[in-house]
Amino acid sequence: NAGVTQTPKFQVLKTGQSMTLQCAQDMNHNSMYWYRQDPGMGLRLIYYSASEGTTDKGEVPNGYNVSRLNKREFSLRLESAAPSQTSVYFCASRDGDRDTDTQYFGPGTRLTVL
Amino acid sequence: QQQVKQSPQSLIVQKGGISIINCAYENTAFDYFPWYQQFPGKGPALLIAIRPDVSEKKEGRFTISFNKSAKQFSLHIMDSQPGDSATYFCAAKTKWGSQGNLIFGKGTKLSVKP
Repeated sequence: NAGVTQTPKFQVLKTGQSMTLQCAQDMNHNSMYWYRQDPGMGLRLIYYSASEGTTDKGEVPNGYNVSRLNKREFSLRLESAAPSQTSVYFCASRDGDRDTDTQYFGPGTRLTVL
Repeated sequence: QQQVKQSPQSLIVQKGGISIINCAYENTAFDYFPWYQQFPGKGPALLIAIRPDVSEKKEGRFTISFNKSAKQFSLHIMDSQPGDSATYFCAAKTKWGSQGNLIFGKGTKLSVKP
């Protein structure tokens, strides 16, 4: 049981390049999330997917797109990277049990855009 | 109304001391208040959570105190240890079943000195 896995762990891009961050969970959770973490800003929600086949914008969606490929996988795409997208990106999945309602986070992808 | 305000931004405590982190919210529809712990280079992980039907929840050295009328909740770490050094995030969420997403505070970096 690997939990939530993310690839790659590190990435350096040049301005204007594109890339896709991959996320997978093996806990059979319906809901999945993408956050970015910047110093002093906490965790900000980029996009989420309440179930397979649905996606919705979070607090900071501009410059990003997502795909919920199947129940396990939720990818985040940067079409034209900008220095402002330099951040640590976390994927999470949610145990929707009423008593626990826990989000499980992956180890993160550290992205630098030059 | 969707914000969760967390303080202090950083905290230094001596080994054996009590660490206290505070959070405040405005949205009275919030009914789930978790705390997440994040070690350097790792993703956040759920530490402890509370619902507003109780005023306190304790798990080992970690206690959440909840004041519904003041719309405040806090994390107390008793007998703080160097291994507790991490960033702590409070969060809030609206009612289970509504797909309300977690709203995170900006985090508190705790350093416990030996």
